[in-house]
Amino acid sequence: DQQVKQNSPSLSVQEGRISILNCDYTNSMFDYFLWYKKYPAEGPTFLISISSIKDKNEDGRFTVFLNKSAKHLSLHIVPSQPGDSAVYFCAATTTNFGNEKLTFGTGTRLTIIP
Amino acid sequence: EPEVTQTPSHQVTQMGQEVILRCVPISNHLYFYWYRQILGQKVEFLVSFYNNEISEKSEIFDDQFSVERPDGSNFTLKIRSTKLEDSAMYFCASTAATAYGYTFGSGTRLTVV
Repeated sequence: DQQVKQNSPSLSVQEGRISILNCDYTNSMFDYFLWYKKYPAEGPTFLISISSIKDKNEDGRFTVFLNKSAKHLSLHIVPSQPGDSAVYFCAATTTNFGNEKLTFGTGTRLTIIP
Repeated sequence: EPEVTQTPSHQVTQMGQEVILRCVPISNHLYFYWYRQILGQKVEFLVSFYNNEISEKSEIFDDQFSVERPDGSNFTLKIRSTKLEDSAMYFCASTAATAYGYTFGSGTRLTVV
């Protein structure tokens, strides 16, 4: 039961260009979405999040867009840098004022080409 | 910046043996979690823990698994009789109140041979 899907297992982008990572979800109860970055042998590192009451959230080079009607979100990284090369996971939860388990997608491996 | 600390970083154990994975969550956090990632697969929820009891567990978290917060700072995951399919990265996470600020540890790689 894949409630959160990342359909692109990998993506290669030239340094300085925009990286766009996509994520789809099926559970309409999800109301909070997060993006994590993960290097090999490390834990997921929080990048940016968005509540379902918003359609955009920006933090420096990272912007997350949420389209609730399409149950789709995307992460934009501009400009892309070599250090951005990692696996990116989309995650979703239903806010419960605590006890919020995260449902993860399968990840997209982003490679930034110098 | 506060961190979630996990030990050991790598544990090798024989099938059928008990293992205990240890975590020190961020000190003012109240909600604690274990997740795992089998190689090449997605990160999966195992269990959440609040107020000294399990809040929710997944179907993966069967009777072979248990969690404990023995001393107010450590948070442990015990697997009583390990199976080959328990081989995975196990991540501990904690949060103060909501999904914002959910912080993961760097993981323990468990290898069952």
